[in-house]
Amino acid sequence: RKEVEQDPGPFNVPEGATVAFNCTYSNSASQSFFWYRQDCRKEPKLLMSVYSSGNEDGRFTAQLNRASQYISLLIRDSKLSDSATYLCAVNTDKLIFGTGTRLQVFP
Amino acid sequence: DAGVIQSPRHEVTEMGQEVTLRCKPISGHNSLFWYRQTMMRGLELLIYFNNNVPIDDSGMPEDRFSAKMPNASFSTLKIQPSEPRDSAVYFCASRGQLDQPQHFGDGTRLSIL
Repeated sequence: RKEVEQDPGPFNVPEGATVAFNCTYSNSASQSFFWYRQDCRKEPKLLMSVYSSGNEDGRFTAQLNRASQYISLLIRDSKLSDSATYLCAVNTDKLIFGTGTRLQVFP
Repeated sequence: DAGVIQSPRHEVTEMGQEVTLRCKPISGHNSLFWYRQTMMRGLELLIYFNNNVPIDDSGMPEDRFSAKMPNASFSTLKIQPSEPRDSAVYFCASRGQLDQPQHFGDGTRLSIL
């Protein structure tokens, strides 16, 4: 079993839709969690950290469920510019990435 | 603020040649990570350093790969001899405190012919 697992997608959604991604992790000792965004042929960029109480940044909401060992990312009112690959990352002493979920927002 | 700086941005070379990738982490960050990304395998951690000391190199594919960090502001990843299957994008990332996120460089796009 992989340490961090994500549905690779692709998720194809219309503009304005709400879309959610989940990510499961196997190491219960994981300490911190992040979502990264990666555009085609670019480096991963930090989108947001994930806090135990859940956190929101504009149209983006991240949540952590330690009991079930998953994190989620919710994107509301999708924009064309949200099209990218979203990678979850789980930190123990090193950051382990999921394989990413591809999102394509269409007009 | 300068981010993580990698060089070269692109490298095309023939198999058998030595390849050296370079990375300058963000000033003040004490952890440095080397990743490889391919379509098939995604983003793989090759090796990481804390305070210039290699901590975990379990992701290094084989003896052809080696990494060094002679000081806090510079690291190299070397492949010798290179093979076509080494073709990938190689990212360097750095981090401050343990619970902080990593920040990535632009990557080196490596093609071995």
